[in-house]
Amino acid sequence: AQTVTQSQPEMSVQEAETVTLSCTYDTSENNYYLFWYKQPPSRQMILVIRQEAYKQQNATENRFSVNFQKAAKSFSLKISDSQLGDTAMYFCAFMKHSPSYDKVIFGPGTSLSVIP
Amino acid sequence: EAQVTQNPRYLITVTGKKLTVTCSQNMNHEYMSWYRQDPGLGLRQIYYSMNVEVTDKGDVPEGYKVSRKEKRNFPLILESPSPNQTSLYFCASSPLAGASEQYFGPGTRLTVT
Repeated sequence: AQTVTQSQPEMSVQEAETVTLSCTYDTSENNYYLFWYKQPPSRQMILVIRQEAYKQQNATENRFSVNFQKAAKSFSLKISDSQLGDTAMYFCAFMKHSPSYDKVIFGPGTSLSVIP
Repeated sequence: EAQVTQNPRYLITVTGKKLTVTCSQNMNHEYMSWYRQDPGLGLRQIYYSMNVEVTDKGDVPEGYKVSRKEKRNFPLILESPSPNQTSLYFCASSPLAGASEQYFGPGTRLTVT
């Protein structure tokens, strides 16, 4: 069974600085997808970034980028130029590639605080 | 506006009193799921549905029921709620299999006393 681990329950960063959130996963699958979701205090779940395992190039979305290391089964999220609005819970998630829908496995989350 | 709606947003109930949390999406998505979120555990999938009349268990289905009679609706039913079902519940929908983003509802905070 797949598992997702986020080893940092809480982190903080100064505004405008860069922070990296860690995520590791365990799977025997070769084709899969990885996601980072953000949950601000409003509780709404928002997709931040997505990575396909077959792509070697790391995904980037504006100030958010990932470091995807397939062999190490690592998928970290880097937030550059941190803003107060980045304060949120961040969840790493895994989904194996399937011709039909498959389960999404979430990690326990990392609570990020951006300090003014 | 494309969205997933859940009702109610907050609910306090007593042990054993049947309740239903509704979920509706207006994006014509085939796939819908229910999750519960608990501190330190992230989101865990309760049930999911691939289409009308097609549902399957997730990781924590005990104590829950679902139905998918219409494509847009996916209610979550607690026949006899217990205090260990106190949690934050999310409904989500997705248009395709694979790498599609899941669209989440606003969440339902349930407290069972």
